[in-house]
This record gives sequence, structure tokens and C-alpha cells, in this order.
Amino acid sequence: DGGITQSPKYLFRKEGQNVTLSCEQNLNHDAMYWYRQDPGQGLRLIYYSQIVNDFQKGDIAEGYSVSREKKESFPLTVTSAQKNPTAFYLCASSMGLAATGELFFGEGSRLTVL
Amino acid sequence: KNEVEQSPQNLTAQEGEFITINCSYSVGISALHWLQQHPGGGIVSLFMLSSGKKKHGRLIATINIQEKHSSLHITASHPRDSAVYICAVAQRVSYDKVIFGPGTSLSVIP
Repeated sequence: DGGITQSPKYLFRKEGQNVTLSCEQNLNHDAMYWYRQDPGQGLRLIYYSQIVNDFQKGDIAEGYSVSREKKESFPLTVTSAQKNPTAFYLCASSMGLAATGELFFGEGSRLTVL
Repeated sequence: KNEVEQSPQNLTAQEGEFITINCSYSVGISALHWLQQHPGGGIVSLFMLSSGKKKHGRLIATINIQEKHSSLHITASHPRDSAVYICAVAQRVSYDKVIFGPGTSLSVIP
């Protein structure tokens, strides 16, 4: 079945470590997104990519980095520069722009900094 | 003031009740999404609409562009409907922007 796969589901990190969250989709979607969800708040956009080898910063990109070397894959690295990384991270994709097309989400990755 | 607001924040209903969740927004939009987030965290798209009304099974979504308001209705609610329902609005601005509401947590009791 087509969908979005995120891994790992749970991740623990020590302060000062970089971690990479994986996001893979087999929906043949051009656009992919990373969102962060904190308790009681709406999802916030970290980075998005509309085409391979191109990506754009969202509203809260500081302390994060991404790559888009393949259409299917959009990994997110949470760097040691991210001051408050403990959160739930969601990857999403859409055929066209999220502003005009249906969004498909992964199951999420919960990152906890010890 | 948040650009997308939802009410109520939390809702408890008895099985079989008719449920309404409201969403109001303050920006110009190209479309509005209703999403369902399961207890495990995964999110499923329920509706995307830009005018009028859409129906899928027991779910109905309406939007009034002039009043900047949308509602999600659930008829004959069931415990499996228990989830967080999220309203999100899409804007055509300089980048691909979707603004998410804080969500409404629904619990349906047998």
C-alpha cells in the first residue's frame, strides 16, 4: 500500500548529539514537509521541499537541516543547535502544493532529549 | 490572537450523539483541511474544501468563506471516533503555507 513511513517511532538523545529522522514515501508525491508538534499547539512547519535537490525553510527552521537527494526520501536532522528539540515530529507529502492538495502524513517520530 | 482557532478545545460525548466542532480563521485562504489525529499520533486527512459542503460516511464538513468559519459534524458518534480533530487553512502566499489549529480532543463514551 502507498504511504509515508517514518522511523524511528521513538528516539532518545543526549544533549549535544545530532539525530536524523527518516521519512520515506511511495506515493510519487513531489512535495514533502516536516512539521513539529508540541502539546497544546498547532503543527509548525520546519522545512519543505517541492522538488528533488531543492528545499525551503519554514517557520521554525533554526537548529534543523534536511536533504532531498531522492524524490522518495526527505530526512530531517535535529542538530545540537536546536535549543528545545523534545517534540513530536511529523512528515507529510502532497501531490502538488499543500495549499491546494490533500496532505498525507506519516505516523510520527517522538524525540526526547535526556 | 491565533490565526486559526477551534472550539471546543475538549469534548466528551455519549455514543450516538451528534457532534459539532468549529473552526474560525482570520486570514484569506485557498482551502481548508480537516484532519484526524489518532492516539498513536498518526494523522489522516478527512476533508479538503474551499466552498460549500462535503460528506463522507458519518462525517460532514461545511465552510462559509465570507464568515471565515468551518464546521465538522459527526453523526451517530462511536467510540472509534475518539481522536483529536485538527482544522488547517491553506494560503497562497510567497511560500507553501498551511496554518494548523490547536485541535479539538474528542472522547466518545459507550
